[in-house]
Amino acid sequence: DQQVKQNSPSLSVQEGRISILNCDYTNSMFDYFLWYKKYPAEGPTFLISISSIKDKNEDGRFTVFLNKSAKHLSLHIVPSQPGDSAVYFCAASARGGYQKVTFGIGTKLQVIP
Amino acid sequence: NAGVTQTPKFRVLKTGQSMTLLCAQDMNHEYMYWYRQDPGMGLRLIHYSVGEGTTAKGEVPDGYNVSRLKKQNFLLGLESAAPSQTSVYFCASSYPSRANYGYTFGSGTRLTVV
Repeated sequence: DQQVKQNSPSLSVQEGRISILNCDYTNSMFDYFLWYKKYPAEGPTFLISISSIKDKNEDGRFTVFLNKSAKHLSLHIVPSQPGDSAVYFCAASARGGYQKVTFGIGTKLQVIP
Repeated sequence: NAGVTQTPKFRVLKTGQSMTLLCAQDMNHEYMYWYRQDPGMGLRLIHYSVGEGTTAKGEVPDGYNVSRLKKQNFLLGLESAAPSQTSVYFCASSYPSRANYGYTFGSGTRLTVV
C-alpha cells in the first residue's frame, strides 16, 4: 500500500521552462512533506519542505504547493536548469512518535539544454 | 566534510555469506536510519534508531539486524545474505525535530548477492 505516490516516473522539460513534479498521498495523518533530489551514485539531498499548516513554501527557484483537501502536493522549478536533472523523491511524515518519513518511488527529471 | 559516511561503497556477496555495513555521522544527530532503494519501490525503511543503545524495526526488517553502540555509528548486518537483498542501501541521520532540515543521507552502498 503506497501511501506516497508519484505517478509520473519521468519528465522532460526544456531549459528555462517550468518543471512541475506531482505527488499524491493517502494517509490523512501526514502533516509534514518534503522533497529530496538525488543524483546518480549519490544519496538523496533535502531540497524543500512544507508543513500542513501552509499551502505554499518557496526557496529560490523551488516552490512547493500543498492542497490538503486533494491530498496533493507539487514541486515547481522555475526556471529549470540542466543541473536540475535528477530523481526527485516526494516524502511525508506524520505527527507523533519518531520522525518516520515515507518516500515515494521518485520522478526522474531531465532538463534539456 | 561534515556528513554521513557509509562503508563500503560496493560489495558482492555469495548467498549465505554475512557482512556488516557501517554508517558514521559527525553531526551529533540523535536519529539514524537504514533504507534500501529498489527499482520501482522507492526508499523503504529497514531499521532505525532514536538514540545510542536503541534500535527499532522499520518497514522491511526481515533478514537484517542493527546496532547503535555509539551515537555516531549505526551498523547494519546481514547474517545470511539472499539474492533478494541485492539493493542500494542508504544510511541517514537527523535531529529529533522535524523542522525544516530533513534527513542527511550517505552516498549509499551497492550490494549484490549472487
